[in-house]
Amino acid sequence: AQSVTQPDIHITVSEGASLELRCNYSYGATPYLFWYVQSPGQGLQLLLKYFSGDTLVQGIKGFEAEFKRSQSSFNLRKPSVHWSDAAEYFCAVGPYNTDKLIFGTGTRLQVFP
Amino acid sequence: DADVTQTPRNRITKTGKRIMLECSQTKGHDRMYWYRQDPGLGLRLIYYSFDVKDINKGEISDGYSVSRQAQAKFSLSLESAIPNQTALYFCATSVLGLAGGPEVTGELFFGEGSRLTVL
Repeated sequence: AQSVTQPDIHITVSEGASLELRCNYSYGATPYLFWYVQSPGQGLQLLLKYFSGDTLVQGIKGFEAEFKRSQSSFNLRKPSVHWSDAAEYFCAVGPYNTDKLIFGTGTRLQVFP
Repeated sequence: DADVTQTPRNRITKTGKRIMLECSQTKGHDRMYWYRQDPGLGLRLIYYSFDVKDINKGEISDGYSVSRQAQAKFSLSLESAIPNQTALYFCATSVLGLAGGPEVTGELFFGEGSRLTVL
């Protein structure tokens, strides 16, 4: 079955600390992978995506993610978190045409000053 | 102004009432989607449309219907609302990219959401 697992429901970090949000997927075909962020009261915004090529992808707001095919993972990282990064983060996987995009259940990030 | 606009942003209604959530977009995208977000469940696809004459059911279409009035407008209806349809609803758009072309995206563009409460 195709699925996305985000094992961490809630993560709390101090401002300036590093961050890693985990995402594991199960997908039969070549996966196209995405990370979206949802700020409070807002819709989702794309942070970054992976289609092919370099397995380390850079996104907006200083985020990056690494695709590891052997581990079926696409973890999101940021070296130094800012208070404005507090939000909910969703990993998603799907085919190229997005009509079957599968979202994870999300990880809520809280940032302490 | 937002590229993907949803109305209403908040609605409280009673069981059995008919509700329509509207979505309009100025992005010129052909593809439009309705998702439902519930705590702990992430986003689930209700319906999607690739153009005005193409409507498709998603993962959880039971109890919902849609109408694609124009390329820019995609409405979601609950004919007889029930409490377990209480959720945050998102409209999204996308454009099909061509492999290797300038619009390789696969990206969804979301509205700000419509929070529906069914009492």
